[in-house]
Amino acid sequence: GAVVSQHPSWVICKSGTSVKIECRSLDFQATTMFWYRQFPKQSLMLMATSNEGSKATYEQGVEKDKFLINHASLTLSTLTVTSAHPEDSSFYICSASGTGGLQETQYFGPGTRLLVL
Amino acid sequence: GENVEQHPSTLSVQEGDSAVIKCTYSDSASNYFPWYKQELGKGPQLIIDIRSNVGEKKDQRIAVTLNKTAKHFSLHITETQPEDSAVYFCAAKYSGNQFYFGTGTSLTVIP
Repeated sequence: GAVVSQHPSWVICKSGTSVKIECRSLDFQATTMFWYRQFPKQSLMLMATSNEGSKATYEQGVEKDKFLINHASLTLSTLTVTSAHPEDSSFYICSASGTGGLQETQYFGPGTRLLVL
Repeated sequence: GENVEQHPSTLSVQEGDSAVIKCTYSDSASNYFPWYKQELGKGPQLIIDIRSNVGEKKDQRIAVTLNKTAKHFSLHITETQPEDSAVYFCAAKYSGNQFYFGTGTSLTVIP
C-alpha cells in the first residue's frame, strides 16, 4: 500500500517551454502532497506543500509563478515548470500523505528528471 | 526552525558487517522520525520509522533508536548486503506534516 507514481519519469525540453509533471497516489487518498527538488548528491529541498482543493504553500525563494502547483483531487497533483531554463534542470520528486494510518509519514514517488536544453 | 544533522556523509563497510548512521535534531517538539533509502535515480523509500514515545524499533536487519533527551536517533543495519548500498536520509517531523531532512549518508557495502 501507499504507492505514489510520477509521470513522466524523465523529460527533455527546450528552453522557454513549459513542462507538466504529474504525481498520483495509486491506492490511497492524498490529503497533502509535497514537491521537492534534488540536486546531485544533495538532500531533498522542499518547494511547496499542497492540500487538496487549496492553494499551494511555497517555501521561501521558490517562485510560485514559475512553479505552478495544482492539487485538484485527492489522488493527483501537478507541477508545471513554466518557461523552463537550463537552471531548472533537476530531479523533481513528489510525496504524499494520507489519512488515518497514512497521515504521519510521506510516501515518495519515483521522481522526474528534467533536462532543459 | 528545525535543523537535522546527519553523520557520516559517506560510509563503507564490508559485507556482513554492521552500519550505523546518526542524526541529531533541534526541535524538542518533533515527534516522528522516519528513515528513507534512496537508490540512484529513484525516489526515497521509507524503510523504518519511530515515534517519540518509543526508544527502539526493529524490523529484521534494520533498527532505529531514539534518545529524546539528547535529541538524536540512529539507524542500525546489521549483516549488511551489497543491495543495502544506497543513500540514506533521516528526517524529523515538525509543524504540520512537514519534514526536515538530514543531508544524507552514502552507504557502500563492499562484497
